[in-house]
Amino acid sequence: DTAVSQTPKYLVTQMGNDKSIKCEQNLGHDTMYWYKQDSKKFLKIMFSYNNKELIINETVPNRFSPKSPDKAHLNLHINSLELGDSAVYFCASSSRLAGDQETQYFGPGTRLLVL
Amino acid sequence: GQSLEQPSEVTAVEGAIVQINCTYQTSGFYGLSWYQQHDGGAPTFLSYNALDGLEETGRFSSFLSRSDSYGYLLLQELQMKDSASYFCAVRVQGGKLIFGQGTELSVKP
Repeated sequence: DTAVSQTPKYLVTQMGNDKSIKCEQNLGHDTMYWYKQDSKKFLKIMFSYNNKELIINETVPNRFSPKSPDKAHLNLHINSLELGDSAVYFCASSSRLAGDQETQYFGPGTRLLVL
Repeated sequence: GQSLEQPSEVTAVEGAIVQINCTYQTSGFYGLSWYQQHDGGAPTFLSYNALDGLEETGRFSSFLSRSDSYGYLLLQELQMKDSASYFCAVRVQGGKLIFGQGTELSVKP
């Protein structure tokens, strides 16, 4: 009954590699987000999609490319990984249609370690 | 620019009341949210204030003063399980949330 799920939960990889993180929500929400949380716990929005359309695109290196195949899925692909990409990446979702976009539901996070 | 200020850490004892303050300076403001995050866990929604005043949900209450760009989260009857990080977040245009740095609350027996 997981509301927002992410895979993988842990990801350890070498610098220069390309990796993807997947997110799925079964809440029927129309808006999904990617956040990055650094080692100091600072949580920063990266991207947001509403009905598969990109609506928020923060100042993020273009090595990061989100993709939303449908409303329930939002994936994040990262090219040429760097040490500074090590962080926890959270997916979240909310509903604009229900008028409750203030409540964002977060996935369990993907802990990425770049060596 | 966008900035939110909240204390980095707060310590209190079980059964006590603690207040976590948040001041913000953002371009555009729709409301102030609070999220709780336990170590190793995901942020979970606690409350949202769009209008001035106090919102109460069980042991937790949240307050907002838009004219002062200030809000707080009040936790009553503290329990050990309340030990966590608490984040204030401002909702700006486009549904974007700008998060504060978080306040680490330690509840002691």
